[in-house]
Amino acid sequence: EPEVTQTPSHQVTQMGQEVILRCVPISNHLYFYWYRQILGQKVEFLVSFYNNEISEKSEIFDDQFSVERPDGSNFTLKIRSTKLEDSAMYFCASSGDLSGNTIYFGEGSWLTVV
Amino acid sequence: SQQGEEDPQALSIQEGENATMNCSYKTSINNLQWYRQNSGRGLVHLILIRSNEREKHSGRLRVTLDTSKKSSSLLITASRAADTASYFCAFGTDKLIFGTGTRLQVFP
Repeated sequence: EPEVTQTPSHQVTQMGQEVILRCVPISNHLYFYWYRQILGQKVEFLVSFYNNEISEKSEIFDDQFSVERPDGSNFTLKIRSTKLEDSAMYFCASSGDLSGNTIYFGEGSWLTVV
Repeated sequence: SQQGEEDPQALSIQEGENATMNCSYKTSINNLQWYRQNSGRGLVHLILIRSNEREKHSGRLRVTLDTSKKSSSLLITASRAADTASYFCAFGTDKLIFGTGTRLQVFP
């Protein structure tokens, strides 16, 4: 079964450093997402991306966050200057369309900010 | 809040028993999806049920949807220790809103 792949699986970074989390969505999918899950808490929507632009973002997704699809396969999440509270599992997801197709998630990238 | 609510928050059963988890939501939906998450791992898609469907089966899983009550249930029959995980409902059109999750523990 096709899958969403994410790298790195775990990253430790110092507060204030920039972090880039990478994702390869399922190849024929058109909609891409980032979610995060702080340890022990609910899964929270960050941003959705379609047709090379952000279609929706949550209030969590402030100016420190950005997303990019630099080529035909990768989808990245950048955190410009990490804070301790950015420590979380970040999930990338993709789907074929909005009309009720399944949204598939990657295994996640654990980010620990120290 | 658009967040889904699930109950119970935690459920402990013996292998072979059935496990039922419930999800309630507040908005209109096109479909509702259920996911499983093993501790510290990714979200695995289990099943999607559309708003015009009332029940759907996949292996040992049975999902029901009652749009009039804005609720859904996930039934895992003949549970196994490997079913131990957190289970989330999720709904939405252009983004998924996740429920609070049910932590299921299946004892051998």
